[in-house]
Amino acid sequence: DAGVTQSPTHLIKTRGQQVTLRCSPKSGHDTVSWYQQALGQGPQFIFQYYEEEERQRGNFPDRFSGHQFPNYSSELNVNALLLGDSALYLCASSLAKLQFFGPGTRLTVL
Amino acid sequence: GEDVEQSLFLSVREGDSSVINCTYTDSSSTYLYWYKQEPGAGLQLLTYIFSNMDMKQDQRLTVLLNKKDKHLSLRIADTQTGDSAIYFCAEKSPGGYQKVTFGIGTKLQVIP
Repeated sequence: DAGVTQSPTHLIKTRGQQVTLRCSPKSGHDTVSWYQQALGQGPQFIFQYYEEEERQRGNFPDRFSGHQFPNYSSELNVNALLLGDSALYLCASSLAKLQFFGPGTRLTVL
Repeated sequence: GEDVEQSLFLSVREGDSSVINCTYTDSSSTYLYWYKQEPGAGLQLLTYIFSNMDMKQDQRLTVLLNKKDKHLSLRIADTQTGDSAIYFCAEKSPGGYQKVTFGIGTKLQVIP
């Protein structure tokens, strides 16, 4: 059983560009959450998707948006990238009370 | 709102026990978790405890919960060099949603 997978592994963008990150949840999981982890910090909750709807959102600007597909996979989009968006972006999938994380996408904004 | 605090660093000798501590603020939290993160990797769920429990043991791991003081600890028995990593304490928001709030992480260094 494959765990949570994310792509790409690494990404380098320049300020002002847009980026799309992808996540495939663990088999049987219907909920996907996205987190941003800056260097030396704990993960910060961005938002959560369930049944293709955003159901909860953290303290992130509208530049951060997402989508969930009928097969439960998800995308995170970030527009107008800032230097401060450089971080590890983690996707977590869950079915009940436990969240399982993917390996993350390392985004560097130059 | 939720807030989780942890000390930043812990150093232990191989074979000793490690105790990582955490305090949280949301008394209505339902689940509390410990995650492990190795360099360049994602988070691995180590163990969790429901808020109506005091203790949970899972092989070398023991979780203790003091609800009155909102204090959570993770004890690792017979610590090995492979246990060197960052350990995150986290709490789940009450209600049906699954937002999880993390601490800053405790870096555990195991000295051979």
